[in-house]
Amino acid sequence: GAGVSQSPSNKVTEKGKDVELRCDPISGHTALYWYRQSLGQGLEFLIYFQGNSAPDKSGLPSDRFSAERTGGSVSTLTIQRTQQEDSAVYLCASSQDGLSTDTQYFGPGTRLTVL
Amino acid sequence: KQEVTQIPAALSVPEGENLVLNCSFTDSAIYNLQWFRQDPGKGLTSLLLIQSSQREQTSGRLNASLDKSSGRSTLYIAASQPGDSATYLCAVSSNTGKLIFGQGTTLQVKP
Repeated sequence: GAGVSQSPSNKVTEKGKDVELRCDPISGHTALYWYRQSLGQGLEFLIYFQGNSAPDKSGLPSDRFSAERTGGSVSTLTIQRTQQEDSAVYLCASSQDGLSTDTQYFGPGTRLTVL
Repeated sequence: KQEVTQIPAALSVPEGENLVLNCSFTDSAIYNLQWFRQDPGKGLTSLLLIQSSQREQTSGRLNASLDKSSGRSTLYIAASQPGDSATYLCAVSSNTGKLIFGQGTTLQVKP
């Protein structure tokens, strides 16, 4: 079956612009995670959605970052007023139920470059 | 705050060698530990998931062990092949599945 997909695969933007990154999880997976992978910081958790529960936003680095998940499926990560330090690969993952026993399946990522 | 460390950062071995990658974590209150593989420019592929109550998991030439009390895990790769060349990431999980990753070990297997 189809895996996790992300779009765009690459995004180049100018400092100060807003960007939207999209994630399509595996059909039927109720849990969705966003992570960021940058050279200096490695892989960091950003935000977690589980069903209709309030999302865990504890990893978002600033209030310029936000995410939503519509209809329990597709998720969009929005970065407002982008800064050069936002340049990274943004990875999305989904799992069946968000349990510790579940394997997370990752998408190929979106490489964001802020000039 | 949970911290995950992987040693070594990079490793180069000739084809056919058995090798061990190490992962350590500071807080033993984990729900599971996972090993992932990442190829250049690609996402992560889950290799093995060890629940906190388990000691090891095996898949083909891969064997992962977990010693929760000492905060350590190892990934053993038997009879390494050039196709095993990739970055290997260790991650520990909270009860909601939120993962905390190590910095990874980049493995090169030379033909």
